[in-house]
Amino acid sequence: KQEVTQIPAALSVPEGENLVLNCSFTDSAIYNLQWFRQDPGKGLTSLLLIQSSQREQTSGRLNASLDKSSGRSTLYIAASQPGDSATYLCAAEYGNKLVFGAGTILRVKS
Amino acid sequence: DAGITQSPRHKVTETGTPVTLRCHQTENHRYMYWYRQDPGHGLRLIHYSYGVKDTDKGEVSDGYSVSRSKTEDFLLTLESATSSQTSVYFCAISDPDRSSYNEQFFGPGTRLTVL
Repeated sequence: KQEVTQIPAALSVPEGENLVLNCSFTDSAIYNLQWFRQDPGKGLTSLLLIQSSQREQTSGRLNASLDKSSGRSTLYIAASQPGDSATYLCAAEYGNKLVFGAGTILRVKS
Repeated sequence: DAGITQSPRHKVTETGTPVTLRCHQTENHRYMYWYRQDPGHGLRLIHYSYGVKDTDKGEVSDGYSVSRSKTEDFLLTLESATSSQTSVYFCAISDPDRSSYNEQFFGPGTRLTVL
């Protein structure tokens, strides 16, 4: 069965800290790995998509890496801000279907 | 935001009643999806469509049916709602024909409560 796990389930950090969110997947035959942000009561916003042939993608203070052989992806957030507080979801794509992790709830304290 | 709307946004219904949720897109994307989101489970795929009248089951399809008679609309029906179907439902769209990757874009969600 294809499963995606995110660690930690919740994280609280002071403003300005660099942080790493982890995502692991059991089936390495992924097409893409997508990271999303979800604010309370809202839909999902796509942050980064890493194709299976790529090792990383960057957008502003966000950097996502992908290691297919070990079944892992990480989302690095630099210089965190209170506005980064949200739930972060990773999803592995298998043939047009996304398999999601349960998410990491991030709180950045000012 | 991608042009995706969901209706209704909130609904409260009783066990045993039929419920239909609608997803409407203005992007002309070929693929449409229905997911449910529950605490501790992330999002799970219910059904998806890869074209008009072409649909397939996802991970948690029992108790749900779908229909797609037009490119822009994808309907999710609960024939006889149960309390276990209380959830937040998200629609998504994508089109692998437009790029080398199949990025999905999500609607705002529908919160359904079955009493």
